[in-house]
Amino acid sequence: EVQLVESGGGLVQPGRSLRLSCTSSGFIFADYAMSWFRQAPGKGLEWVGFIRSRVYGGATQYAATVKDRFTISRDDSKSIAYLQMNSLKTEDTAVYYCTREYGIIDYWGQGALVTVSS
Amino acid sequence: DIQMTQSPSSLSASVGDRVTITCRASQSISRNLNWYQQKPGKAPNLLIYATSNLRSGVPSRFSGSGSGTDFTLTISSLQPEDVATYYCQQSYSTPPVTFGGGTKVEIK
Repeated sequence: EVQLVESGGGLVQPGRSLRLSCTSSGFIFADYAMSWFRQAPGKGLEWVGFIRSRVYGGATQYAATVKDRFTISRDDSKSIAYLQMNSLKTEDTAVYYCTREYGIIDYWGQGALVTVSS
Repeated sequence: DIQMTQSPSSLSASVGDRVTITCRASQSISRNLNWYQQKPGKAPNLLIYATSNLRSGVPSRFSGSGSGTDFTLTISSLQPEDVATYYCQQSYSTPPVTFGGGTKVEIK
């Protein structure tokens, strides 16, 4: 059974950093791209970024709203994807979801709430 | 970037009604259109991929159609467990990954 579990969410002040982890199981993690999406309270789904598999060089892509502030990485030996969030803004407040793939998104984590507030 | 527009943004229908949600892309996306269901407080769940392919385990009352720029999600007989927000998403040209704004379905 495929499982994705996010951790590391919480309350953080504007300008500070936070790192989310996505621990995966039930599939060959190294074979898949991993993505992050977010959903602000009462709003729709927003893509944050993705990291391709090693076969595709592990390249990353980011939404314009987070580019240069957020970094996605992966540890294939541990089946974990990370989302490093720096220079956080109040508008980054959202539930963050990690997913397998970014085209047809067949598995989502349960989400991690990140609240950016002073 | 390809923009996705859904309509209506919300609807209320009776149990057993046929419900139709539309999704329009700002340019042709062939049949690279996926639908997700998000129940309150839960993560989204893939319902239909590549316009009309039902994910395994999804009830057959759900169906999808369309091509190019115009797509439709249909629930043939609305059930109480279908209360959710539905999102369309294009997988034709990424990045960025883009979604419609969502359609909230409620029971009348």
